[in-house]
Order: sequence, then structure tokens, then C-alpha cells
Amino acid sequence: QKEVEQDPGPLSVPEGAIVSLNCTYSNSAFQYFMWYRQYSRKGPELLMYTYSSGNKEDGRFTAQVDKSSKYISLFIRDSQPSDSATYLCAMSAGGYNKLIFGAGTRLAVHP
Amino acid sequence: DTAVSQTPKYLVTQMGNDKSIKCEQNLGHDTMYWYKQDSKKFLKIMFSYNNKELIINETVPNRFSPKSPDKAHLNLHINSLELGDSAVYFCASSLGTGSQPQHFGDGTRLSIL
Repeated sequence: QKEVEQDPGPLSVPEGAIVSLNCTYSNSAFQYFMWYRQYSRKGPELLMYTYSSGNKEDGRFTAQVDKSSKYISLFIRDSQPSDSATYLCAMSAGGYNKLIFGAGTRLAVHP
Repeated sequence: DTAVSQTPKYLVTQMGNDKSIKCEQNLGHDTMYWYKQDSKKFLKIMFSYNNKELIINETVPNRFSPKSPDKAHLNLHINSLELGDSAVYFCASSLGTGSQPQHFGDGTRLSIL
């Protein structure tokens, strides 16, 4: 069993939809949780960063962490075609800052 | 200005050759990383250096040797390339270790013929 599980999709939604992306994990030592967006032939770009449990909002993006369920989510409101990309969850226990990534979910937002 | 830059962007070479990939960051960060992304897009850490000291060394064949000449540069040398080494290699950097977010370059696409 992988330390971080993420449904690879693909996920196809119409423009304006609310998108929900999720990851589960098994290592209770993880404290730092990130979402990266990766466009084709580009490097991962940091979208959201949260510490421990709770919610964080930034514009159309909301990240949620539920440590008791070992479950994290990213919500995208009013999705746009420019949001079409692969979304990677990543987490770390701190220390040497070793990031463990999910497999990535491919999202397509169609006009 | 590109924050984390890698050269070359593409590398096509024959099995058995030796090749190097270079990475430079202009963010003033102390910590740099190498990741491998396979054909299924799965990103996995290989190495990390903090202030030129190797701090993460995952289970990677010893044909892979990282080198950090200074805090702003991290290179990856690969000996005796094999078909399974075909992947995208990403360099990343962070302000320090602990909880610092990591910033990635755009990758080097390595294809072994």
C-alpha cells in the first residue's frame, strides 16, 4: 500500500463547476500538506500549503486537512479551462523535508 | 527570471552512456532536491542537499551521483545509463529543511535509446 493514495482520474468537468480533489494517507507523522499544479511539460507549481488540520482559502482554491481521517482535499470554485492540469498532493513529516507525493489527478475543464 | 533552472531540457542518449544534468536556483535557498517522475507521472525524491551537505539519499542505484558545488547549484551525474532511467528529472529548492515549501524547475526529459 502506498503512503499517499490519489485517484489519477481523469476528471472532466464543465466550466464553472466546483471541483473536489482528494488524497488519503497512512503515515500519521505527516504534518505539512501541499497541493501542486502541474501543466503539461512543466514543473509542479505550489498552489496551497497547510499545516496540521483545518481549512485554508486562497481565491478560488480551498484546501482542507482532516488528520483524524488522514484525508486531505482541494476544492476549486468556478473552474476555468486554464485550471486544466494535473493536481498533485504532497505531504511531509518535517525533519529533512522529504515530500511524499500522490500519483496526481488529471483535470480537464471544458468550455 | 527563472527561479529554478535545469539544463538540458531534453536529453536523448544511448544505453551505457554517462550523462549529467545541471540545476541552478536564484532564490537564495539553502536546500536543493532531485526528484524522478516516471511515465505514470509519479514523483519520487532521490536526493537532497542542505548547505552542500547530503541529507537525503533514497534507495537509488549508485550509478546516480549528485554533487553540490555550492548552495545555488546541484548536479546529477548518471553512469552506464539503462532503459529504466528514462524519466523526467526535476530539481527543486527550499529555504531550508523542516516545513519549507519546495519550488520546482521545469524538468529534464531523459530518453534512453
